[in-house]
Amino acid sequence: DGGITQSPKYLFRKEGQNVTLSCEQNLNHDAMYWYRQDPGQGLRLIYYSQIVNDFQKGDIAEGYSVSREKKESFPLTVTSAQKNPTAFYLCASSPRSGRRTSGSYEQYFGPGTRLTVT
Amino acid sequence: GQQLNQSPQSMFIQEGEDVSMNCTSSSIFNTWLWYKQDPGEGPVLLIALYKAGELTSNGRLTAQFGITRKDSFLNISASIPSDVGIYFCAGQLYRSGTASKLTFGTGTRLQVTL
Repeated sequence: DGGITQSPKYLFRKEGQNVTLSCEQNLNHDAMYWYRQDPGQGLRLIYYSQIVNDFQKGDIAEGYSVSREKKESFPLTVTSAQKNPTAFYLCASSPRSGRRTSGSYEQYFGPGTRLTVT
Repeated sequence: GQQLNQSPQSMFIQEGEDVSMNCTSSSIFNTWLWYKQDPGEGPVLLIALYKAGELTSNGRLTAQFGITRKDSFLNISASIPSDVGIYFCAGQLYRSGTASKLTFGTGTRLQVTL
């Protein structure tokens, strides 16, 4: 089945440690995104990538890093510099095409990873 | 970054009732998306709107792209218990050939009582 997978579902880390969250998609989408969601809040964009080997900062990129070495993978590293890393992290992907057709720019989400840092 | 204003923030309704929620922005968009999120899960796309004034249905859900391009509305008819969840609107200002960012609303939490 085509879709987006995130692993693990739950992740626990000690303060001061870096941690990498996995995101894989087999939808053949060009663009991928990382969002952060805090309790009772909407989604805030951390980083996004429109194409392999290229990515841009979102609204809250400080303390995070990403890489995009393969089209299907977009891992997110939460570094020790992130002051409040405990949150629900969501990965998404979307097609990117030269002209808009129905559904071309819609983002589809993975199941999320809940990170708890103590 | 900007977040869209969504109202109401939460609502309790009885099974069978109709539900309305809306989303407003200070800037225009050319795409509006509505998502539903269950607890601990990722959002699922419900409806996408691409043109000002457009009215689109998906089963018991109907959404409209506001004429001003700064707002959107979602209606759920004859609610059932599985409609429980958080509904998010998202606006997008896309440009051809560019995967553009979504700006999300603050969410409407819907609870349905029997």
